[in-house]
Amino acid sequence: DQQVKQNSPSLSVQEGRISILNCDYTNSMFDYFLWYKKYPAEGPTFLISISSIKDKNEDGRFTVFLNKSAKHLSLHIVPSQPGDSAVYFCAASGSSGTYKYIFGTGTRLKVLA
Amino acid sequence: DADVTQTPRNRITKTGKRIMLECSQTKGHDRMYWYRQDPGLGLRLIYYSFDVKDINKGEISDGYSVSRQAQAKFSLSLESAIPNQTALYFCATSDTQTGYTDTQYFGPGTRLTVL
Repeated sequence: DQQVKQNSPSLSVQEGRISILNCDYTNSMFDYFLWYKKYPAEGPTFLISISSIKDKNEDGRFTVFLNKSAKHLSLHIVPSQPGDSAVYFCAASGSSGTYKYIFGTGTRLKVLA
Repeated sequence: DADVTQTPRNRITKTGKRIMLECSQTKGHDRMYWYRQDPGLGLRLIYYSFDVKDINKGEISDGYSVSRQAQAKFSLSLESAIPNQTALYFCATSDTQTGYTDTQYFGPGTRLTVL
């Protein structure tokens, strides 16, 4: 059973426009969420995170929104740039004391110039 | 220089062979992890270690073993490789000093093909 789901395997956006990547989770014990970006032939790199005590966290062009009642988070990239083209993974961690992440399946973003 | 390195970067082997993937880090982190990535399945945790004397199974540990030789080194072994272990393998590290919200830092990955 997939506890963290990214239902859109791919997304194309025009340069300068907003990219919105979505992630849903099923486990209400998750209380910390992260987004990672992955380029080909590289490991995932941390992008932004959010704790369940917040509903929004912003870092430059990247904003993560958390809707706990809907068990949904989203990553907004504004404005999108061609260098943002990558695979984006969301991950969730729970208050189990083990600090393990559960990753989604990823969304491939393509920003068109 | 990369903070988290993995060797080899690519490996092709045959069914039944023993394979070791190595991970080294210079970040001084105490926690280390091994993941595998398969198309359409995201990253799944194989094993993790919170310090040299602590080894824990992840969600898909069957067919794998690990060794934490030092704080900076964490190796993953496939005792008898099988074709469905063909995947991209990632090592990651994190630091307890950051508290609960530890961020994991990933190596560049090892692409393993088992024929």
